[in-house]
Formats: sequence, structure tokens, C-alpha cells
Amino acid sequence: AQSVTQLDSHVSVSEGTPVLLRCNYSSSYSPSLFWYVQHPNKGLQLLLKYTSAATLVKGINGFEAEFKKSETSFHLTKPSAHMSDAAEYFCVVSALRGGYNKLIFGAGTRLAVHP
Amino acid sequence: GAVVSQHPSRVICKSGTSVKIECRSLDFQATTMFWYRQFPKQSLMLMATSNEGSKATYEQGVEKDKFLINHASLTLSTLTVTSAHPEDSSFYICSVKQTGGTETQYFGPGTRLLVL
Repeated sequence: AQSVTQLDSHVSVSEGTPVLLRCNYSSSYSPSLFWYVQHPNKGLQLLLKYTSAATLVKGINGFEAEFKKSETSFHLTKPSAHMSDAAEYFCVVSALRGGYNKLIFGAGTRLAVHP
Repeated sequence: GAVVSQHPSRVICKSGTSVKIECRSLDFQATTMFWYRQFPKQSLMLMATSNEGSKATYEQGVEKDKFLINHASLTLSTLTVTSAHPEDSSFYICSVKQTGGTETQYFGPGTRLLVL
């Protein structure tokens, strides 16, 4: 069965420093993977998605993620954090269940950005 | 990304009443919509998959008679929480998948329900 594990529940960085949010996946076949961001009391916004094309995926707002099959990882990175990046980030895998493609969410990582 | 709206954005109701939440796909037709529930500081949990013109498919443990889903058109799905109780207080989020599109889901802004 497909699943994702977000290794850190909280990450804190200083503004201008790199961001690394870790995600490992489990899948019996080539997965589709996503990163979504949720700002407080808001819905989810798609940052980027991997669907078996290029392993390095570039998303919005300077984020990118690299699909590493050997490590079953899909970590999210950004070279320089901005205050507006403070939010909850979800790593998500698409799973075929009951005839539908369903999204399976990780537990989330809360990113705090300090001045 | 696609624009998905939800109405209302927040609602407060008395215990025992019913509350209807609307989810609209504004940019494209969506044969399939999804309803999620999110408790404070927790992840999203899929409640049900809503299909236009047919019955919704509920996840294990979700009471279909309590959470009524209607997907009457390709751009509108509604979730009705019947006989709401305080434990139903939560953040309800819908998402849409474009008919014939990829598996990418586009999410609405969510509806915060507080049952007193």
C-alpha cells in the first residue's frame, strides 16, 4: 500500500537560509508524489508534483523536490527561506484504491521562519 | 491552478441542527470531487469521493447517513452534516479533479464548522 512519512513535525529556519523538508514514500509501483502548502486557516495550494518525468521537479515560489527511487525519498527544498514561507507542508502520494486515485497525506511539517 | 470555492467559509450552529457546505469548481468540469476533514494540527483525512450523478463512495468509518453528499452537477458538490454534534466541529475541505485530467486535485479554501 502507498504511504508517505514526513520525518519532521516541525522545522525552524532563519530567513534567508535553506529549507529542507523531508519525506519518504512507500509504493509498490511508480508513484505520483505531490507537495502541498497550507497557510493558517486556508485551503491547500499545490507546490509541485512528480509524475515519472524529470526526477528534479521545480515548483512555485522557488521550491523544488527531487525524486530519489533508491532512497524512496521526495524531499522539498528551497535555497533561501522567506517569512511568507511559514506554513504547514504536506507530502502526498497518489494511490489507486477502490477504482479511484486517492491522495494519501503525510502528517505534515510545520515550517517556522525567524527574522 | 484551478479555482475552487467553498461556502460558507465558517459556520457556527447548535447541536442537533444540520449544516450544508457547498463546493464549486469554477474553472472546469469535475466529475469527481473529494471531501476531507482536518482536525486542529492534524493532517487531512479523506471522508468520501463524490461522483456526479451517482452515489458517493465513503471511506471506512465515515457514516454516510450523517455526512450526506450530493453531486448534482459537474461543478457543484454539497456536504450536509446532519444532526451535528460538538465532535463534528472541524475544518472541512473539498477538492476537485478535472474530468479527463490528471490525478492532480485542486483544493477549496475550507469551511470551519463549530457546533455548540
